[in-house]
Amino acid sequence: DGGITQSPKYLFRKEGQNVTLSCEQNLNHDAMYWYRQDPGQGLRLIYYSQIVNDFQKGDIAEGYSVSREKKESFPLTVTSAQKNPTAFYLCASSSRWGQETQYFGPGTRLLVL
Amino acid sequence: AQSVTQPDIHITVSEGASLELRCNYSYGATPYLFWYVQSPGQGLQLLLKYFSGDTLVQGIKGFEAEFKRSQSSFNLRKPSVHWSDAAEYFCAVGAAPPGGYQKVTFGTGTKLQVIP
Repeated sequence: DGGITQSPKYLFRKEGQNVTLSCEQNLNHDAMYWYRQDPGQGLRLIYYSQIVNDFQKGDIAEGYSVSREKKESFPLTVTSAQKNPTAFYLCASSSRWGQETQYFGPGTRLLVL
Repeated sequence: AQSVTQPDIHITVSEGASLELRCNYSYGATPYLFWYVQSPGQGLQLLLKYFSGDTLVQGIKGFEAEFKRSQSSFNLRKPSVHWSDAAEYFCAVGAAPPGGYQKVTFGTGTKLQVIP
């Protein structure tokens, strides 16, 4: 079955540590996205990528970094510069950027020790 | 820039009762509109979407939504709610300016509680 996988389901970060969240899709979608979800705030866009080897900052990119070396993969690194990383992180993809529906993975919950 | 408002943070309905979740958007042109559902600790699942054409859109799980341009609304409805519908519902609006990226803006969500 085609879909989006995210790992791990839970991730714990220590002070000063960088952590990487995995997102893989086998839908052959060109565009991929990372969102952060906090209670009562809906989803906020961190980064997006329209094609391989290209990505753009979203609304809250500070303290995060991404790469898009393969079409199916779009990992997100939460760096030590992100002072409030505790949140639920959702990865999404769409067949192409533009008027297309975004499909979501199951999410990763990041907690700070 | 577009925006979307879900005025109800929390709604409680009895099982078998009808449901309407409100969504209002702000965008200068015809928007792309979505409703997603999220169970606790899970990702978002698409319920339905409106891009153009018939303003009454049918979705999965018996949901429907109606696009009303004059009211800038896209309310979600279900005639008879089941206990399994308890979840959080997100309305989203997409915009695609010429040559630009389709930015999707999500509402803050409405939590639905279903009582027996």
